Amino acid sequence: EPEVTQTPSHQVTQMGQEVILRCVPISNHLYFYWYRQILGQKVEFLVSFYNNEISEKSEIFDDQFSVERPDGSNFTLKIRSTKLEDSAMYFCASSTLTGFDGYTFGSGTRLTVV
Amino acid sequence: AQSVTQPDIHITVSEGASLELRCNYSYGATPYLFWYVQSPGQGLQLLLKYFSGDTLVQGIKGFEAEFKRSQSSFNLRKPSVHWSDAAEYFCAVGPIQGAQKLVFGQGTRLTINP
Repeated sequence: EPEVTQTPSHQVTQMGQEVILRCVPISNHLYFYWYRQILGQKVEFLVSFYNNEISEKSEIFDDQFSVERPDGSNFTLKIRSTKLEDSAMYFCASSTLTGFDGYTFGSGTRLTVV
Repeated sequence: AQSVTQPDIHITVSEGASLELRCNYSYGATPYLFWYVQSPGQGLQLLLKYFSGDTLVQGIKGFEAEFKRSQSSFNLRKPSVHWSDAAEYFCAVGPIQGAQKLVFGQGTRLTINP
């Protein structure tokens, strides 16, 4: 069964540093997403990406965040200057055009900002 | 705006007992509805989904859910739980009106007593 692959599984970074979280979505999916889950809280939408541009973003997704699809397979989330409150599990997901088949989530990257 | 409510933050049941996890949504029309399961430290796995048609849907791991339009509910059920069902369960709604994101409920943590 096709999978969404995320790397690394766990990253520790110092406050103020830049981090890049990487994802390989399912190859025939057209929509790509990033979600965040702070420990013990619900999963929150960050951004969706379609046709090489952001299609929607949440209030959380401020100027410190950016997304990119640098090639035909990778989808990245960059946090320019990490804060302590950015510590969370970050999930990448992808879906077909209609979402009918549901979304497929990756196993997540646990980001710890110290 | 669409929202999802999972009234029960934590439920404990005995192994072999039946289970029902509640989910209510707020939206003017029938959305796409999903249940995801998250084992400790793991990603989100799709249990089942509803888009239209038969209001009782079957999923993986012996789970089922029933869509009730009159109650705006999509409750998850299992006739007999196993210790391996201990996890966090999330109800989600989407995509809606061209917005491809999923909106998640707060989650229900399921504990299984031996």
